[in-house]
Amino acid sequence: AQTVTQSQPEMSVQEAETVTLSCTYDTSESDYYLFWYKQPPSRQMILVIRQEAYKQQNATENRFSVNFQKAAKSFSLKISDSQLGDAAMYFCAYRSAIGPSGTYKYIFGTGTRLKVLA
Amino acid sequence: DSGVTQTPKHLITATGQRVTLRCSPRSGDLSVYWYQQSLDQGLQFLIQYYNGEERAKGNILERFSAQQFPDLHSELNLSSLELGDSALYFCASSVDGDRDYGYTFGSGTRLTVV
Repeated sequence: AQTVTQSQPEMSVQEAETVTLSCTYDTSESDYYLFWYKQPPSRQMILVIRQEAYKQQNATENRFSVNFQKAAKSFSLKISDSQLGDAAMYFCAYRSAIGPSGTYKYIFGTGTRLKVLA
Repeated sequence: DSGVTQTPKHLITATGQRVTLRCSPRSGDLSVYWYQQSLDQGLQFLIQYYNGEERAKGNILERFSAQQFPDLHSELNLSSLELGDSALYFCASSVDGDRDYGYTFGSGTRLTVV
Protein backbone atom coordinates (compact mmCIF):
# COMPACT_ATOMS: atom_id res chain seq x y z
CA ALA A 1 0.00 0.00 0.00
CA GLN A 2 1.12 3.51 -0.72
CA THR A 3 2.22 5.72 2.16
CA VAL A 4 3.24 9.35 2.48
CA THR A 5 5.57 10.47 5.24
CA GLN A 6 6.33 14.00 6.36
CA SER A 7 8.96 13.62 9.06
CA GLN A 8 9.09 17.29 10.09
CA PRO A 9 6.09 18.21 12.25
CA GLU A 10 7.28 21.81 12.44
CA MET A 11 9.80 24.05 10.70
CA SER A 12 10.82 27.66 11.12
CA VAL A 13 12.35 30.05 8.61
CA GLN A 14 13.45 33.64 8.75
CA GLU A 15 11.63 36.01 6.47
CA ALA A 16 13.34 36.25 3.05
CA GLU A 17 15.27 33.03 3.64
CA THR A 18 14.80 29.65 1.96
CA VAL A 19 13.30 26.58 3.56
CA THR A 20 12.85 23.00 2.38
CA LEU A 21 10.04 20.73 3.55
CA SER A 22 10.56 16.99 3.21
CA CYS A 23 8.20 14.33 1.95
CA THR A 24 8.86 10.71 1.19
CA TYR A 25 6.46 8.16 -0.17
CA ASP A 26 6.32 4.50 -0.83
CA THR A 27 4.77 2.96 -3.91
CA SER A 28 5.31 0.22 -6.42
CA GLU A 29 3.68 2.20 -9.20
CA SER A 30 5.59 3.98 -11.91
CA ASP A 31 2.96 6.51 -12.93
CA TYR A 32 1.45 8.78 -10.30
CA TYR A 33 1.07 12.38 -9.20
CA LEU A 34 2.49 14.26 -6.26
CA PHE A 35 1.16 17.47 -4.78
CA TRP A 36 1.86 20.02 -2.10
CA TYR A 37 -1.09 21.72 -0.46
CA LYS A 38 -0.98 24.69 1.89
CA GLN A 39 -3.42 25.22 4.75
CA PRO A 40 -3.09 28.72 6.29
CA PRO A 41 -4.79 29.66 9.56
CA SER A 42 -8.00 30.24 7.62
CA ARG A 43 -8.01 26.42 7.20
CA GLN A 44 -8.62 26.73 3.45
CA MET A 45 -6.70 24.06 1.52
CA ILE A 46 -4.77 25.54 -1.38
CA LEU A 47 -2.91 23.65 -4.09
CA VAL A 48 0.68 24.89 -4.21
CA ILE A 49 2.36 22.71 -6.80
CA ARG A 50 2.00 19.41 -8.63
CA GLN A 51 4.43 16.96 -10.16
CA GLU A 52 3.75 14.19 -12.64
CA ALA A 53 5.95 11.19 -11.95
CA TYR A 54 6.79 10.57 -15.59
CA LYS A 55 8.27 14.05 -15.90
CA GLN A 56 11.86 14.28 -14.79
CA GLN A 57 11.86 18.06 -14.72
CA ASN A 58 11.12 19.50 -11.31
CA ALA A 59 7.97 21.60 -11.12
CA THR A 60 8.19 25.27 -10.17
CA GLU A 61 5.57 27.87 -9.32
CA ASN A 62 7.06 31.29 -8.65
CA ARG A 63 8.87 31.02 -5.29
CA PHE A 64 7.88 27.38 -4.85
CA SER A 65 9.80 24.52 -6.40
CA VAL A 66 10.15 20.83 -5.81
CA ASN A 67 13.04 18.41 -5.75
CA PHE A 68 11.56 15.22 -7.14
CA GLN A 69 13.81 12.19 -6.75
CA LYS A 70 11.82 9.30 -8.19
CA ALA A 71 14.29 6.55 -7.40
CA ALA A 72 14.59 7.74 -3.81
CA LYS A 73 10.82 8.34 -3.61
CA SER A 74 11.40 11.80 -2.30
CA PHE A 75 9.40 14.95 -3.05
CA SER A 76 10.60 17.98 -1.14
CA LEU A 77 9.20 21.50 -1.38
CA LYS A 78 11.52 24.49 -1.46
CA ILE A 79 10.17 27.91 -0.61
CA SER A 80 12.45 30.76 -1.60
CA ASP A 81 12.34 34.31 -0.28
CA SER A 82 9.93 33.24 2.47
CA GLN A 83 7.16 35.65 3.30
CA LEU A 84 4.99 36.00 6.39
CA GLY A 85 2.04 34.82 4.32
CA ASP A 86 3.76 31.50 3.74
CA ALA A 87 3.15 30.53 7.36
CA ALA A 88 0.82 27.57 7.17
CA MET A 89 0.49 23.82 7.44
CA TYR A 90 1.86 22.12 4.35
CA PHE A 91 0.59 18.73 3.25
CA CYS A 92 2.26 16.42 0.78
CA ALA A 93 -0.13 14.23 -1.20
CA TYR A 94 0.18 11.23 -3.52
CA ARG A 95 -2.30 10.21 -6.18
CA SER A 96 -1.97 6.77 -7.62
CA ALA A 97 -2.46 5.77 -11.21
CA ILE A 98 -5.96 4.89 -12.31
CA GLY A 99 -6.68 1.23 -11.66
CA PRO A 100 -8.66 -1.24 -13.78
CA SER A 101 -11.92 -0.27 -12.11
CA GLY A 102 -11.28 3.40 -12.75
CA THR A 103 -10.46 4.14 -9.15
CA TYR A 104 -7.34 5.66 -7.70
CA LYS A 105 -6.02 6.50 -4.26
CA TYR A 106 -5.28 9.92 -2.90
CA ILE A 107 -3.13 9.88 0.22
CA PHE A 108 -2.08 12.84 2.36
CA GLY A 109 0.87 13.11 4.70
CA THR A 110 0.40 14.32 8.27
CA GLY A 111 1.62 17.82 7.49
CA THR A 112 4.46 20.17 8.40
CA ARG A 113 3.70 23.40 10.21
CA LEU A 114 5.84 26.22 8.82
CA LYS A 115 6.49 29.29 10.93
CA VAL A 116 7.95 32.39 9.30
CA LEU A 117 9.89 34.66 11.62
CA ALA A 118 9.98 38.40 10.99
CA ASP B 1 -13.47 31.76 -4.19
CA SER B 2 -12.21 28.31 -5.19
CA GLY B 3 -15.38 27.39 -7.06
CA VAL B 4 -16.28 24.63 -4.60
CA THR B 5 -19.10 25.73 -2.31
CA GLN B 6 -19.71 24.18 1.06
CA THR B 7 -22.60 24.98 3.34
CA PRO B 8 -22.98 25.65 6.16
CA LYS B 9 -19.63 27.10 7.22
CA HIS B 10 -20.27 26.41 10.88
CA LEU B 11 -22.57 23.98 12.62
CA ILE B 12 -23.10 23.41 16.31
CA THR B 13 -25.26 20.53 17.37
CA ALA B 14 -25.84 18.17 20.26
CA THR B 15 -24.74 14.59 20.67
CA GLY B 16 -27.12 12.09 19.14
CA GLN B 17 -28.32 14.49 16.49
CA ARG B 18 -28.10 14.24 12.70
CA VAL B 19 -26.71 16.86 10.33
CA THR B 20 -26.30 17.24 6.59
CA LEU B 21 -23.34 18.96 4.98
CA ARG B 22 -23.66 20.17 1.43
CA CYS B 23 -21.11 20.59 -1.33
CA SER B 24 -21.35 21.99 -4.84
CA PRO B 25 -18.32 21.08 -6.94
CA ARG B 26 -16.47 23.40 -9.28
CA SER B 27 -18.12 23.71 -12.65
CA GLY B 28 -17.05 20.85 -14.90
CA ASP B 29 -15.73 18.63 -12.12
CA LEU B 30 -17.43 15.27 -11.89
CA SER B 31 -15.68 13.90 -8.82
CA VAL B 32 -16.48 14.94 -5.28
CA TYR B 33 -14.45 13.87 -2.28
CA TRP B 34 -15.18 14.23 1.42
CA TYR B 35 -12.46 14.54 4.02
CA GLN B 36 -12.47 14.89 7.78
CA GLN B 37 -9.83 16.92 9.57
CA SER B 38 -9.82 16.78 13.34
CA LEU B 39 -8.01 19.47 15.33
CA ASP B 40 -4.34 19.67 14.31
CA GLN B 41 -4.64 16.43 12.41
CA GLY B 42 -4.15 15.45 8.81
CA LEU B 43 -6.87 14.79 6.32
CA GLN B 44 -8.78 11.56 6.58
CA PHE B 45 -10.43 10.45 3.37
CA LEU B 46 -14.07 9.53 3.83
CA ILE B 47 -15.63 8.89 0.46
CA GLN B 48 -15.52 9.77 -3.24
CA TYR B 49 -18.33 10.09 -5.77
CA TYR B 50 -17.95 10.30 -9.50
CA ASN B 51 -20.87 11.43 -11.64
CA GLY B 52 -23.41 10.22 -9.14
CA GLU B 53 -21.82 6.91 -8.24
CA GLU B 54 -19.73 5.94 -5.26
CA ARG B 55 -16.18 5.49 -6.50
CA ALA B 56 -14.07 4.89 -3.41
CA LYS B 57 -14.53 4.56 0.30
CA GLY B 58 -12.11 5.43 3.05
CA ASN B 59 -12.42 5.33 6.82
CA ILE B 60 -16.04 6.36 6.85
CA LEU B 61 -18.10 5.35 9.86
CA GLU B 62 -21.36 3.48 9.38
CA ARG B 63 -23.12 6.43 11.01
CA PHE B 64 -21.98 8.55 8.08
CA SER B 65 -23.35 8.38 4.58
CA ALA B 66 -23.10 10.43 1.43
CA GLN B 67 -24.62 10.78 -1.98
CA GLN B 68 -24.11 12.75 -5.16
CA PHE B 69 -27.14 14.05 -6.99
CA PRO B 70 -27.76 14.40 -10.75
CA ASP B 71 -26.75 18.05 -10.62
CA LEU B 72 -23.46 16.79 -9.10
CA HIS B 73 -23.83 18.43 -5.75
CA SER B 74 -23.13 16.11 -2.85
CA GLU B 75 -24.37 15.76 0.68
CA LEU B 76 -22.64 14.14 3.64
CA ASN B 77 -25.00 12.91 6.32
CA LEU B 78 -23.69 12.43 9.84
CA SER B 79 -26.00 10.75 12.35
CA SER B 80 -25.95 9.75 16.02
CA LEU B 81 -23.30 12.37 16.48
CA GLU B 82 -20.63 11.96 19.12
CA LEU B 83 -18.25 14.49 20.64
CA GLY B 84 -15.42 12.93 18.64
CA ASP B 85 -17.14 13.82 15.39
CA SER B 86 -16.28 17.46 15.98
CA ALA B 87 -14.00 18.35 13.09
CA LEU B 88 -13.56 20.33 9.92
CA TYR B 89 -15.20 18.55 7.01
CA PHE B 90 -13.83 19.36 3.60
CA CYS B 91 -15.31 18.73 0.23
CA ALA B 92 -13.04 18.73 -2.79
CA SER B 93 -13.69 18.29 -6.46
CA SER B 94 -11.52 17.35 -9.40
CA VAL B 95 -11.56 16.64 -13.07
CA ASP B 96 -11.42 12.89 -13.05
CA GLY B 97 -9.22 11.37 -15.65
CA ASP B 98 -5.71 10.60 -16.73
CA ARG B 99 -4.50 14.14 -16.22
CA ASP B 100 -4.89 15.26 -12.63
CA TYR B 101 -4.45 18.89 -11.79
CA GLY B 102 -5.14 18.38 -8.13
CA TYR B 103 -8.09 18.95 -5.92
CA THR B 104 -10.01 22.14 -5.55
CA PHE B 105 -11.12 22.33 -1.96
CA GLY B 106 -14.10 24.08 -0.49
CA SER B 107 -13.64 26.23 2.58
CA GLY B 108 -14.94 23.49 4.84
CA THR B 109 -17.73 23.05 7.34
CA ARG B 110 -16.69 23.29 10.95
CA LEU B 111 -18.83 20.90 12.97
CA THR B 112 -18.94 21.21 16.73
CA VAL B 113 -20.79 18.55 18.69
CA VAL B 114 -21.63 19.55 22.25
